[in-house]
Amino acid sequence: DAKTTQPPSMDCAEGRAANLPCNHSTISGNEYVYWYRQIHSQGPQYIIHGLKNNETNEMASLIITEDRKSSTLILPHATLRDTAVYYCIVRLTNTGNQFYFGTGTSLTVIP
Amino acid sequence: DTGVSQNPRHKITKRGQNVTFRCDPISEHNRLYWYRQTLGQGPEFLTYFQNEAQLEKSRLLSDRFSAERPKGSFSTLEIQRTEQGDSAMYLCASSLIGGGVEKLFFGSGTQLSVL
Repeated sequence: DAKTTQPPSMDCAEGRAANLPCNHSTISGNEYVYWYRQIHSQGPQYIIHGLKNNETNEMASLIITEDRKSSTLILPHATLRDTAVYYCIVRLTNTGNQFYFGTGTSLTVIP
Repeated sequence: DTGVSQNPRHKITKRGQNVTFRCDPISEHNRLYWYRQTLGQGPEFLTYFQNEAQLEKSRLLSDRFSAERPKGSFSTLEIQRTEQGDSAMYLCASSLIGGGVEKLFFGSGTQLSVL
């Protein structure tokens, strides 16, 4: 599975949009992009996934570039409860290959 | 509560002792994963089961570690002769294959401290 590169930390003002980037330049055509987040002392939580098209759900939006070499997770109106570590993962779905988490981006939402 | 349940939440043990953790997945989920996480790092894959079959093991899973999933339901992870380097959060996750794109659902983990 392709590996990802994320900035180690980011800050965002409460109420503003948080834009978390991820580079996955070696992604293959069948690999999905997943985002998970981990709030302190909890297990990771699924946020969203996508293959080629941009996706939106109740938690976030996922923007994938046309060449699929990078993506951005957008939290449209960040709250203090969004403070967490965010992991970008690329993976062939349903193959049983492990989800490789990396070290993620630690997002701090500032009041 | 229909989420993934892990017990115990915390375990303190002395070096050399054996410990066992339990994971109860979401009902009818056919895959179950074990991960380990140390401070400041992301979760690291240890092993996974599809139903009762253990299909993959990481090189991190030394011969002191053993995992089982009898009858394809709950799973146990045993660490024999614990070492201080085993201190970590042990996370369990489950998923359903055949229900669309695979999504992992994690428990809250078992925090192991080896003294």
